[in-house]
Amino acid sequence: AQSVTQPDIHITVSEGASLELRCNYSYGATPYLFWYVQSPGQGLQLLLKYFSGDTLVQGIKGFEAEFKRSQSSFNLRKPSVHWSDAAEYFCAVGDNSGGYQKVTFGTGTKLQVIP
Amino acid sequence: DAGVTQSPTHLIKTRGQQVTLRCSPISGHKSVSWYQQVLGQGPQFIFQYYEKEERGRGNFPDRFSARQFPNYSSELNVNALLLGDSALYLCASSIDRGTQYFGPGTRLLVL
Repeated sequence: AQSVTQPDIHITVSEGASLELRCNYSYGATPYLFWYVQSPGQGLQLLLKYFSGDTLVQGIKGFEAEFKRSQSSFNLRKPSVHWSDAAEYFCAVGDNSGGYQKVTFGTGTKLQVIP
Repeated sequence: DAGVTQSPTHLIKTRGQQVTLRCSPISGHKSVSWYQQVLGQGPQFIFQYYEKEERGRGNFPDRFSARQFPNYSSELNVNALLLGDSALYLCASSIDRGTQYFGPGTRLLVL
């Protein structure tokens, strides 16, 4: 069964600093990988996704993620964080092998941005 | 285009009661999935429906059921509510097995 590990529960960065959120997955085949963001009390917004092809994926709001098969990782990065980026970030892996896409989420990383 | 919509936004129930949550997918999306997000956790998969048929089910008890209508909207029903059912219930829609787009959720509190 697939699983996702987000080792950092909480991260604090200064506004303007760079950001990297870690994600490791466990899946037998080539995975479908996603990053979602959730503001307090809100639903999930898709930041970016990887299905195949170029391992560096660009998303919305200036985010990017790199798929590294050898490390089973899909880390999210942003070169310069804005105060509005404060939210919770979820990494997820999708499995289509059962005839439908079952998405498994990590436990999330809460990002705090300080002035 | 409108995104995924869910109703109600908030709900308070007591133990043993039954609840129905509603979801309308993005226009053109025929697949709806339901997730439960307990405070401090990531969403957990409950069901996926496509063309009114259940295609997948997560590890949830039979108290949880769902259905999908001809217009692709969906309802999630939970019977005999327990305190542990308190959570944010998220609906996501997709074109078949593609990327899932989430609604704002329904926050359920069971007292």
